[in-house]
Amino acid sequence: AQKVTQAQTEISVVEKEDVTLDCVYETRDTTYYLFWYKQPPSGELVFLIRRNSFDEQNEISGRYSWNFQKSTSSFNFTITASQVVDSAVYFCALSVIDTGRRALTFGSGTRLQVQP
Amino acid sequence: SQTIHQWPATLVQPVGSPLSLECTVEGTSNPNLYWYRQAAGRGLQLLFYSVGIGQISSEVPQNLSASRPQDRQFILSSKKLLLSDSGFYLCAWVRASTDTQYFGPGTRLTVL
Repeated sequence: AQKVTQAQTEISVVEKEDVTLDCVYETRDTTYYLFWYKQPPSGELVFLIRRNSFDEQNEISGRYSWNFQKSTSSFNFTITASQVVDSAVYFCALSVIDTGRRALTFGSGTRLQVQP
Repeated sequence: SQTIHQWPATLVQPVGSPLSLECTVEGTSNPNLYWYRQAAGRGLQLLFYSVGIGQISSEVPQNLSASRPQDRQFILSSKKLLLSDSGFYLCAWVRASTDTQYFGPGTRLTVL
């Protein structure tokens, strides 16, 4: 069975601050994907990034960056120079490769509030 | 391009009434389809998934059922709603080439 833990329930920052959202996962499978999704107040989940277990290279996309470390089973997400529009709930998720199921196991989410 | 639709967007139903939520996907064929539920202030729980027409797998025993009558249609149903069925229901499909799930806009269900 898989498990994803997002220990930070809620984070509040002031605009332009950097913020890191933590994600720790558990799985016995050696091949898996890790994801981050954003859920704005409208409710729809927006896909941000997918990383497979073979690729530990960090990734940067604009103000967003992701740090994947298999040694600590973590997949952390950093927003640089946060903006009010970044306010949302962020979910980390995991799916196991090589199964027809392809379902996601989600963490409980981290609510990010960016104050102006 | 692919799009996913859900309706209704919001629904208020009395306890004991039936339920039917619909999800349709456009622009792809034979997708894996999923129903998730998000209770207030909590994470997402997988309810059902389907790898093809008429093929339904249930993840959590409960008051709900799912059906897939057509390739790109996924329906979530209940014969008698319970208070605990309240929540935000999300449908998703998988892009096979990337194993990435994309979600619909969701249905917010309140059972009174």
